[in-house]
Amino acid sequence: AQSVTQPDIHITVSEGASLELRCNYSYGATPYLFWYVQSPGQGLQLLLKYFSGDTLVQGIKGFEAEFKRSQSSFNLRKPSVHWSDAAEYFCAVVLISGGYNKLIFGAGTRLAVHP
Amino acid sequence: NAGVTQTPKFRVLKTGQSMTLLCAQDMNHEYMYWYRQDPGMGLRLIHYSVGEGTTAKGEVPDGYNVSRLKKQNFLLGLESAAPSQTSVYFCASSYDRPYEKLFFGSGTQLSVL
Repeated sequence: AQSVTQPDIHITVSEGASLELRCNYSYGATPYLFWYVQSPGQGLQLLLKYFSGDTLVQGIKGFEAEFKRSQSSFNLRKPSVHWSDAAEYFCAVVLISGGYNKLIFGAGTRLAVHP
Repeated sequence: NAGVTQTPKFRVLKTGQSMTLLCAQDMNHEYMYWYRQDPGMGLRLIHYSVGEGTTAKGEVPDGYNVSRLKKQNFLLGLESAAPSQTSVYFCASSYDRPYEKLFFGSGTQLSVL
């Protein structure tokens, strides 16, 4: 069955340090992949998405993600983290089932940023 | 623009009570979704709609019903609330496909005692 796994539940980094959040997927075909961010008390906001083409995609707020088919991964990166990046991050994949496409989320990674 | 608006923002129910969560979007989106968010489980799809008058089951539909009588509104109903339905509920919408950008509401915190 198709699934999305985020191995890290919590990550803490210092402000200014680099960041990598991991995401692995299980999917037979070429997946549509996403990263969403959720600030405290808010709904989710799309950071970036991958459908096809260049495997390195740029998103908002200085984030990027790289699709690696051989590793079934879509890891999110940022070279220098800001205190405002503290939030929960969700990887997601589109699931095609019964003729409809549905977005399936991973369990999320909560990011804390130390000053 | 208002985007996606959910009401209410907070609610406490007793076991067995019923309630309806309202989601309204002003972006003329075709697709609408209801998710629940529980700690350590991410967001799970309850029901969704691909257009006015249509609904379909998601991953965790049991105990919930939905209606999409108007394109801009998507209602989530709990007929007989259970403690297992304590969660944060999010509504979302997208223009025509879920692999386009989803727009989320700010959530409804529901506690069932």
